[in-house]
Amino acid sequence: TQLLEQSPQFLSIQEGENLTVYCNSSSVFSSLQWYRQEPGEGPVLLVTVVTGGEVKKLKRLTFQFGDARKDSSLHITAAQPGDTGLYLCAGAGTNAGKSTFGDGTTLTVKP
Amino acid sequence: KAGVTQTPRYLIKTRGQQVTLSCSPISGHRSVSWYQQTPGQGLQFLFEYFSETQRNKGNFPGRFSGRQFSNSRSEMNVSTLELGDSALYLCASSWTGHRNTEAFFGQGTRLTVV
Repeated sequence: TQLLEQSPQFLSIQEGENLTVYCNSSSVFSSLQWYRQEPGEGPVLLVTVVTGGEVKKLKRLTFQFGDARKDSSLHITAAQPGDTGLYLCAGAGTNAGKSTFGDGTTLTVKP
Repeated sequence: KAGVTQTPRYLIKTRGQQVTLSCSPISGHRSVSWYQQTPGQGLQFLFEYFSETQRNKGNFPGRFSGRQFSNSRSEMNVSTLELGDSALYLCASSWTGHRNTEAFFGQGTRLTVV
């Protein structure tokens, strides 16, 4: 069974601060996706990383896929209250159509 | 392009009843996956359908079943509801469901079993 561990589980910061959340596994994933979910809504896809060592930037968000494709990080620069939400990573393994999700990091950005 | 649509958004059922949830994928998407999300267990994979066939299955009891129609719309059924079935049920659609294909989620159906 492929497992993804996300850390920290909860993070509360002030507006303007930087933060990094992590997604780690002992398994290799062919790709990894990051989602953000707001209460009562479905997860919204932020990015997909495929190549080991890949770095993708989405405005103030920087995503990195580990060289061995077992881990990933999400760095947010100058966090804003609108960044508040549950950040989920999901790994695509060997079975098509079946992603493994981490338990998520709940981020609260206070104004 | 319309997103993934799930109906109903909210549902309240009593123990022992059964329920059917519906998911309409993005037009052109042939893969539909279902997930159960609870505060304690996170997002748990239920099953995935592709071209009307169940292609993958998670570790849920047989009370949870699904199907997919020729237009790719999918339904999920839960029979003999238990209190622990209360959760947000999410479906995700993708073009092929292949490993690197991005999945897009609906808003979910919030099921409460009383």
